[in-house]
Amino acid sequence: GAGVSQTPSNKVTEKGKYVELRCDPISGHTALYWYRQSLGQGPEFLIYFQGTGAADDSGLPNDRFFAVRPEGSVSTLKIQRTERGDSAVYLCASSFGQVGTDTQYFGPGTRLTVL
Amino acid sequence: GQQLNQSPQSMFIQEGEDVSMNCTSSSIFNTWLWYKQDPGEGPVLLIALYKAGELTSNGRLTAQFGTTRKDSFLNISASIPSDVGIYFCAGNSDNDYKLSFGAGTTVTVRA
Repeated sequence: GAGVSQTPSNKVTEKGKYVELRCDPISGHTALYWYRQSLGQGPEFLIYFQGTGAADDSGLPNDRFFAVRPEGSVSTLKIQRTERGDSAVYLCASSFGQVGTDTQYFGPGTRLTVL
Repeated sequence: GQQLNQSPQSMFIQEGEDVSMNCTSSSIFNTWLWYKQDPGEGPVLLIALYKAGELTSNGRLTAQFGTTRKDSFLNISASIPSDVGIYFCAGNSDNDYKLSFGAGTTVTVRA
């Protein structure tokens, strides 16, 4: 079956612009996560959705970052007034949302470059 | 967030050699996971550990959940060229869905 897909695969933008990154989770997965991976580092948690609601957004770095999942499936990560420090690979993951033995499956990521 | 220390940062190994890497945490984890990431791809789960002391194998890979619940190791036996990549440890605490990741171990295999 299809895995987690993310679009675009690459996004180059200018400082100050607005960007949207999209994630299509695995069908049937109720939990969806966004992580950010800087060069040479492991992924860092941004936000977690259970269904349509953001259950934990403690990883969002500031109020320029926002994510939605209006129908409990596709999610969009939105970044306003982008800064050069926002450049990173943004990873999406999804899971069945079960406590204990839940496995998160990752998409290929969107590489964001802010010039 | 929780701090994971992963070592070594990188390693060059000869094809056929065994590889070992480990991860320590500043706090107790209930789940330890090992992922592999190839260039341009997202992390792929290799092994999941759910119980202190648990030893689990997946082909040439073996991982253990430390008895203190603050550490884990991954062994790769008889390495082959396709083992090249970045290996990440990750874990989470009870009822906490978000994963904390180590900084990764980059493995390069000499043919």
